[in-house]
Amino acid sequence: GAVVSQHPSRVICKSGTSVKIECRSLDFQATTMFWYRQFPKQSLMLMATSNEGSKATYEQGVEKDKFLINHASLTLSTLTVTSAHPEDSSFYICSAGRKSPSGNTIYFGEGSWLTVV
Amino acid sequence: AQKVTQAQTEISVVEKEDVTLDCVYETRDTTYYLFWYKQPPSGELVFLIRRNSFDEQNEISGRYSWNFQKSTSSFNFTITASQVVDSAVYFCALSESGGSQGNLIFGKGTKLSVKP
Repeated sequence: GAVVSQHPSRVICKSGTSVKIECRSLDFQATTMFWYRQFPKQSLMLMATSNEGSKATYEQGVEKDKFLINHASLTLSTLTVTSAHPEDSSFYICSAGRKSPSGNTIYFGEGSWLTVV
Repeated sequence: AQKVTQAQTEISVVEKEDVTLDCVYETRDTTYYLFWYKQPPSGELVFLIRRNSFDEQNEISGRYSWNFQKSTSSFNFTITASQVVDSAVYFCALSESGGSQGNLIFGKGTKLSVKP
C-alpha cells in the first residue's frame, strides 16, 4: 500500500482562490518532505523542501508567498497555492525519505492534479 | 553542477523488442544515488531502482536491467521483451545528498510506447 499519501488527487479551483494539498507519511516520521511540480509533458522540478517545525526552503524562482508550505507535524506537510491562476495548473507531487537498515528509501505520493479555471 | 540528461525524448517499439533508455548524469560529488522511476499516465511515480555511487554492479530484475558505468557517467535501463504495459514515461534521477533527504534532480524523461 501507499507509504506517502497525497490528497486530493484531483482538484479544480477558480482563478483567484486558494487550494491546499496534503502530503502524509503513513507509517513513518518524515522531518523533511519535498514538493515537486510537473507541467504537462515536462520533467519534475523541485519547488521546495518542507522542514518540520521550521520554514520551508524554496528553490530559485518559486514564490514563497504564493506557494505556502506548512510542515506542522512529523507526518504531514501541506502546500497551499494562494490566489491560483491558470498558469498554476500542474501536477504537484511530494516525497519523503524513510530510513531503513539499507539506507534511505524515497517514497513519492500519488500526486495531485490541479486545474485552475 | 548536477544534471541528468535523458537524450531520448520518445521511443516506440513493438512488443517483445528489447529497448534501452539512456541516462547520463553530471555531479561533482563522490557520493550520490541514481534512480529510475516509471510514470504511467495516471501520474504516480513508480520506484524501479536506486543505485549508490559505490556500487557499479549491474542489476537485473525480471525483464529489467540496469547498466551503471561511472567511467561514462551513465546509468542506462534496458527492458527485455517489452510489453504494452511497459508504456510510460521513464525518469532517471540523481541525488547528491547521499539519497538521504529525497531531493532528486530529474532528467526530462523518456516516453516509451510499446505497440502490440
